[in-house]
Amino acid sequence: EAGVVQSPRYKIIEKKQPVAFWCNPISGHNTLYWYRQNLGQGPELLIRYENEEAVDDSQLPKDRFSAERLKGVDSTLKIQPAELGDSAVYLCASSLGGLAGGWQYFGPGTRLTVT
Amino acid sequence: RKEVEQDPGPFNVPEGATVAFNCTYSNSASQSFFWYRQDCRKEPKLLMSVYSSGNEDGRFTAQLNRASQYISLLIRDSKLSDSATYLCVVNLGGFKTIFGAGTRLFVKA
Repeated sequence: EAGVVQSPRYKIIEKKQPVAFWCNPISGHNTLYWYRQNLGQGPELLIRYENEEAVDDSQLPKDRFSAERLKGVDSTLKIQPAELGDSAVYLCASSLGGLAGGWQYFGPGTRLTVT
Repeated sequence: RKEVEQDPGPFNVPEGATVAFNCTYSNSASQSFFWYRQDCRKEPKLLMSVYSSGNEDGRFTAQLNRASQYISLLIRDSKLSDSATYLCVVNLGGFKTIFGAGTRLFVKA
């Protein structure tokens, strides 16, 4: 079974530039998460989707971050414009949701460096 | 106070040692609990769920104490390959999942 796929794996951009990350979850997983992980910290939730609906985006900096999950499958996370503090690993995860929400499967992440 | 707190370590132990990590959580409505393992520069991977009755998977034993709001992970007979960061995860009935900052473990030969 294919796992969660993310691309790109690495991205280096200059501040004020836009950047986008793509995620393809495990087939059949209705819940999709985007996390940001800084060095030495645990993953912090940015947004959670149940199918195509964003049900928890309280931690998403909406002035510069946006996300979409068309057709309830693939998802894209965008930052525009990027700031130096956005340098981090962006992780996508998927799960069956509900009480199984803690059983999350993570993609390899995108390591973003903003210069 | 953080919602999920862990001792960041690092824990440096010799091969064959027994090591235990604790994690405390603040929300008494938390419903399910997990330990994830994260290797350096890799993604987190589910290690095991944690139940009130305790559960064991080979050399790993997880315990939950709801009254005191903490969970623990015990690793027996440590292997070099156990070196990683162990993340404590609390789930609020599927609606919200909170990760701790992790405890780093180094197992030395």
